[in-house]
Amino acid sequence: QSVLTQPPSVSAAPGQKVTISCSGSSSNVRNNYVSWYQQLPGTAPKLLIYENNKRPSGIPDRFSGSKSGTSATLGISGLQTGDEADYYCGTWDNSLSADVFGGGTKLTVL
Amino acid sequence: QVQLQESGPGLVKPSQTLSLTCTVSGGSVGSDNYYWSWIRQHPGKGLEWIGYIYDSGNTYYNPSLRSRLSMSVGPSKRQFSLNLNSVTAADTATYYCARGVAVAGSIYFDYWGQGTLVTVSS
Repeated sequence: QSVLTQPPSVSAAPGQKVTISCSGSSSNVRNNYVSWYQQLPGTAPKLLIYENNKRPSGIPDRFSGSKSGTSATLGISGLQTGDEADYYCGTWDNSLSADVFGGGTKLTVL
Repeated sequence: QVQLQESGPGLVKPSQTLSLTCTVSGGSVGSDNYYWSWIRQHPGKGLEWIGYIYDSGNTYYNPSLRSRLSMSVGPSKRQFSLNLNSVTAADTATYYCARGVAVAGSIYFDYWGQGTLVTVSS
């Protein structure tokens, strides 16, 4: 059972927008920055979003991040078949004194 | 461009020690406020943070693994290592090394190795 809760799967059609939620608590999401990672099949995770809403160089602005209270959200607009992947949120947990990740969300682009 | 590459045995016997090395190119371990990290992923599962080493030798480990863990930096500062002792089948996973960047108490991982699968089996 992950400390951060994500939906197991989401799906949408090409060109549409999807959001992936990451629900935590005051000991993690509320008081710390959240990052998001994309893991394409058979590859290592890749940083998509850091400090809640910042994109590393090379990440298109179709990917966005936000946070409110104990929840964070990853948005992906203009969906492409190449976006099919597992997505993970991550942050520090003050109670556990550990970096924690969500259980991951599998995105299917129909 | 920073690149990381894990290396080590792909098969470890139960009760023995799992030892992995991460070789860093395009950067130096122990400098510039980076947290050189290990993260693992059990087959078909999510990510689990193992720990990191920073400032050329300070370490911070996941409390759930702390009693079996040690990490170190190689003399050239181009490698860092993971040792996990008394392994069981539950330690079978793909192990990733990654570079962590600290910001206001949080760390995000901006560069990752390709990962190496370690199976614990007799």
